[in-house]
Amino acid sequence: DIQMTQSPPVLSASVGDRVTLNCKASQNINNNLDWYQQKHGEAPKLLIYYTNNLQTDIPSRFSGSGSETDYTLTISSLQPEDVATYYCYQYKSGWTFGGGTKLELK
Amino acid sequence: EVQLVESGGGLVQPGRSLKLSCAASGFTFSNYYMAWVRQAPKKGLEWVATISTSGSRTYYPDSVKGRFTISRDNAKSSLYLQMNSLKSEDTATYYCARQGDSFAYWGQGTLVTVSS
Repeated sequence: DIQMTQSPPVLSASVGDRVTLNCKASQNINNNLDWYQQKHGEAPKLLIYYTNNLQTDIPSRFSGSGSETDYTLTISSLQPEDVATYYCYQYKSGWTFGGGTKLELK
Repeated sequence: EVQLVESGGGLVQPGRSLKLSCAASGFTFSNYYMAWVRQAPKKGLEWVATISTSGSRTYYPDSVKGRFTISRDNAKSSLYLQMNSLKSEDTATYYCARQGDSFAYWGQGTLVTVSS
């Protein structure tokens, strides 16, 4: 089974900061990776699919990158509404979510 | 507009069974794989089950294999999750999700609490 490890578990940042969230797969997942945002009390929302493709209606400050085992979600300028937990998800072999990164405002 | 509405959650004793339902609308249900994803209180997301478009193929993680059964009724645009031999660690909000290569659409979730 492919394991997904996200870091850091908790990230505190200020409005306007550039923020980077990391996701590492236990083996090469060939870019078969999505990012989801989950705000408190809500269902998850798809942000990025297949590593770097922005889902419809998602602000352009969100971007994804990576290859093989290492992937990154970047928020270019953090906004208050971005406070949430972010999950990576692989579908190269089976389906596995990472443990999440909780993004807070400093 | 795509809508997924789960139902059937509630309080159930350990060892008992429960069946969840998900009513889909706004898309051609029979064209999509469907899945259940759960989230234990204050924990992360866990994929629970996936079913192919026809229902002929189903997939589960080891944590629920042999206890949970996913099924679908394409004529009714409905997805189901039969949960048997429930354990306290199955306590979670269960989400129904449309699954292509991504979970682009999710329901609002239904809470299952396993407790005596």
